[in-house]
Amino acid sequence: DAGVIQSPRHEVTEMGQEVTLRCKPISGHDYLFWYRQTMMRGLELLIYFNNNVPIDDSGMPEDRFSAKMPNASFSTLKIQPSEPRDSAVYFCASSRDGNYGYTFGSGTRLTVV
Amino acid sequence: EDQVTQSPEALRLQEGESSSLNCSYTVSGLRGLFWYRQDPGKGPEFLFTLYSAGEEKEKERLKATLTKKESFLHITAPKPEDSATYLCAVQTNSGYSTLTFGKGTMLLVSP
Repeated sequence: DAGVIQSPRHEVTEMGQEVTLRCKPISGHDYLFWYRQTMMRGLELLIYFNNNVPIDDSGMPEDRFSAKMPNASFSTLKIQPSEPRDSAVYFCASSRDGNYGYTFGSGTRLTVV
Repeated sequence: EDQVTQSPEALRLQEGESSSLNCSYTVSGLRGLFWYRQDPGKGPEFLFTLYSAGEEKEKERLKATLTKKESFLHITAPKPEDSATYLCAVQTNSGYSTLTFGKGTMLLVSP
């Protein structure tokens, strides 16, 4: 099993540009989570999906953030327009049934200049 | 609001010097407490889940314990390869399926 796959690993973009982060969960996992990690705030849940349906997006900071899961093997997190305060490491994680420990991807380090 | 506080923020040990990391939590109803290890540039890696007070789990030099208000991660005779950030997270009865994380303890073990 290749684990949770995220792309790109690093993204540097200019303020105002659109950024799209991608995630492929582990096959058979019904839950997918997007987290953001910063030194100040640690790991924060942004949104999660169950069977491709968004369940809780209360952690999405602003309307500039949106997430989709068009099928069981792919999800995107989009920021439009990006701002310097969005700079962080964004993690995707998946879980078989939500009751057990998640499996995290290696993250996307986003820098907005 | 659910809160998870980890201490210390950073810990430096000599190889072989045992110690403990603390995770205190304030939640409405604990469903499970999770420990993760995170290496630089990588995602958190699952270590343990504890479900009830008094429960203990062990893996190599690590042992996790749980009380009604806190959890401890005991590291016995650590080695340099145990150096990492250790994260604690809670899952609650109301926040079904989601984890609320503490900010972590950065552990450095010197040879």
